[in-house]
Amino acid sequence: AQSVTQPDIHITVSEGASLELRCNYSYGATPYLFWYVQSPGQGLQLLLKYFSGDTLVQGIKGFEAEFKRSQSSFNLRKPSVHWSDAAEYFCAKTNAGKSTFGDGTTLTVKP
Amino acid sequence: DAGVTQSPTHLIKTRGQQVTLRCSPKSGHDTVSWYQQALGQGPQFIFQYYEEEERQRGNFPDRFSGHQFPNYSSELNVNALLLGDSALYLCASSLTSGSIGSYNEQFFGPGTRLTVL
Repeated sequence: AQSVTQPDIHITVSEGASLELRCNYSYGATPYLFWYVQSPGQGLQLLLKYFSGDTLVQGIKGFEAEFKRSQSSFNLRKPSVHWSDAAEYFCAKTNAGKSTFGDGTTLTVKP
Repeated sequence: DAGVTQSPTHLIKTRGQQVTLRCSPKSGHDTVSWYQQALGQGPQFIFQYYEEEERQRGNFPDRFSGHQFPNYSSELNVNALLLGDSALYLCASSLTSGSIGSYNEQFFGPGTRLTVL
């Protein structure tokens, strides 16, 4: 079965520090990979996506992610976290029209 | 552009009842997908509608059914509600092009919070 794993349930970082959120996926042909952010009471907002080509993808709000086929990973990074980045982050994979999400990582930002 | 809208925002039902949730897709979109997000979990794919037909379905029982209207809006119906159906139900819309394996960006609505007592 297709699966997406986010090993970290909760991460706390200080404002201005760097951030890396981990995501591993079960490999399938043509992996379409995504990172979404969800604030309380809100729907999901797409941060970035990977379809093919350059393995380092840039997204909105200063986020980037790197696709590593050999490690089946698609980790999300940000060089300097802002207090407004505190939210729930979901990694997802789409295959044949179905999207599979990880269980999310909650990011807390300390002042 | 209003984006994806869902109604109602919140809903409280009792076990055994039936519920209908509604979704209006983003302008220009023709495909609607529904997801269930239980507390502390990621969204789980329920089904997808395109051209008024169910095109894809996740691992959900037949108690979950849907409909898409000619204007592309959609309804999610859940019969014989169980306590475990309590969740945030998300609707996502996209514009279909090409084969079913191709991908077009999904835009999510804010969700409907369903509580089953």
